[in-house]
Amino acid sequence: DAKTTQPPSMDCAEGRAANLPCNHSTISGNEYVYWYRQIHSQGPQYIIHGLKNNETNEMASLIITEDRKSSTLILPHATLRDTAVYYCIATSGTYKYIFGTGTRLKVLA
Amino acid sequence: DAGVIQSPRHEVTEMGQEVTLRCKPISGHDYLFWYRQTMMRGLELLIYFNNNVPIDDSGMPEDRFSAKMPNASFSTLKIQPSEPRDSAVYFCASSLGTGGWQPQHFGDGTRLSIL
Repeated sequence: DAKTTQPPSMDCAEGRAANLPCNHSTISGNEYVYWYRQIHSQGPQYIIHGLKNNETNEMASLIITEDRKSSTLILPHATLRDTAVYYCIATSGTYKYIFGTGTRLKVLA
Repeated sequence: DAGVIQSPRHEVTEMGQEVTLRCKPISGHDYLFWYRQTMMRGLELLIYFNNNVPIDDSGMPEDRFSAKMPNASFSTLKIQPSEPRDSAVYFCASSLGTGGWQPQHFGDGTRLSIL
């Protein structure tokens, strides 16, 4: 599975869009990009995943570049409850999720 | 729908004691995963099962750790004897098959402290 790189931390004002980048320059053609988040003391929560096309669900949008070497998770209107560690994972769908250190997002009131 | 259920939520025990962590996966899911999270090593996969059969236990740290899945709705992770370095949060996750389109769903974990 491809290695992913994320900034260690980001701040976002409440109500604004939070854009969390992820670099996965070695991703292969059959690898999906998954995003999870972990709110303090809870288990990781699935947010969204994609292969090539941009995806949107009730929680977030995922923008994947055309060359698939990077992606951005967008939380359109961040709230204080979105404060969490966000993990980007590139996987071909096997059991091996490799959780890196993620991005610690802090939403500011 | 009920998510993955883990028990106990917190466990404090003395070194040398046996510890048993329990997990009930989401009904219908055929894959079950055990992870451990520490500050030093982050989230690590310990073992996973498919249709109640252990598939890969290469992440299990040593022979003191064992995991079983006697049926589709229950799994245990046992540590015997426990040591202080086993202190961590242990997560169970389940998924409906593998394949790039199937996310894993996590429980809220068991916070284990070995004194």
